[in-house]
Amino acid sequence: DAKTTQPPSMDCAEGRAANLPCNHSTISGNEYVYWYRQIHSQGPQYIIHGLKNNETNEMASLIITEDRKSSTLILPHATLRDTAVYYCIVRVHGVFKAAGNKLTFGGGTRVLVKP
Amino acid sequence: DAGVIQSPRHEVTEMGQEVTLRCKPISGHDYLFWYRQTMMRGLELLIYFNNNVPIDDSGMPEDRFSAKMPNASFSTLKIQPSEPRDSAVYFCASSLKGALFTDTQYFGPGTRLTVL
Repeated sequence: DAKTTQPPSMDCAEGRAANLPCNHSTISGNEYVYWYRQIHSQGPQYIIHGLKNNETNEMASLIITEDRKSSTLILPHATLRDTAVYYCIVRVHGVFKAAGNKLTFGGGTRVLVKP
Repeated sequence: DAGVIQSPRHEVTEMGQEVTLRCKPISGHDYLFWYRQTMMRGLELLIYFNNNVPIDDSGMPEDRFSAKMPNASFSTLKIQPSEPRDSAVYFCASSLKGALFTDTQYFGPGTRLTVL
């Protein structure tokens, strides 16, 4: 699976859009970009995923560059409840690898939404 | 649906004791995953099952760890004997290969294990 690089932390003002970048320059053609978040003391929560087209759902929008080497998760109107660690993961559908390739969620971006 | 259910939510035990963590996946999901999360190593996939069959257990750290899935609605992760370095939050997740071929994972609340 391709590795991802995310900034370790970022702050966002409540009510403003939060733009979370992710670099995945070694992504292969059949790998999807997934975003999860983990609110303190809870299990990770799925947000959105995409292959090459931009995607939008009730939680967020996902913008994938044309070369697919990077993407941006957009939380359109951040609330205090959006404070969490956000993980960007790339992998092939239906393929999960454990140790060896160590499918981990990486460090993620710790987002703090401030009033 | 109640989501993925894990028990216990918290477990404190002494080194050398056997620990059993339990998971009930979302009904109808055909994949089940066990993860471990620590500050040092983040979230790591230990093992996953497809239709109750272990597919990849290469993330299991040692022979002290074992996982079973006797039926579609129940799985266990056992540590015997437990050691202080096993202290972590253990998450169970399940997913479904639906018609849209999306295999989003749904996570349980986790079991916080402390080994003294």
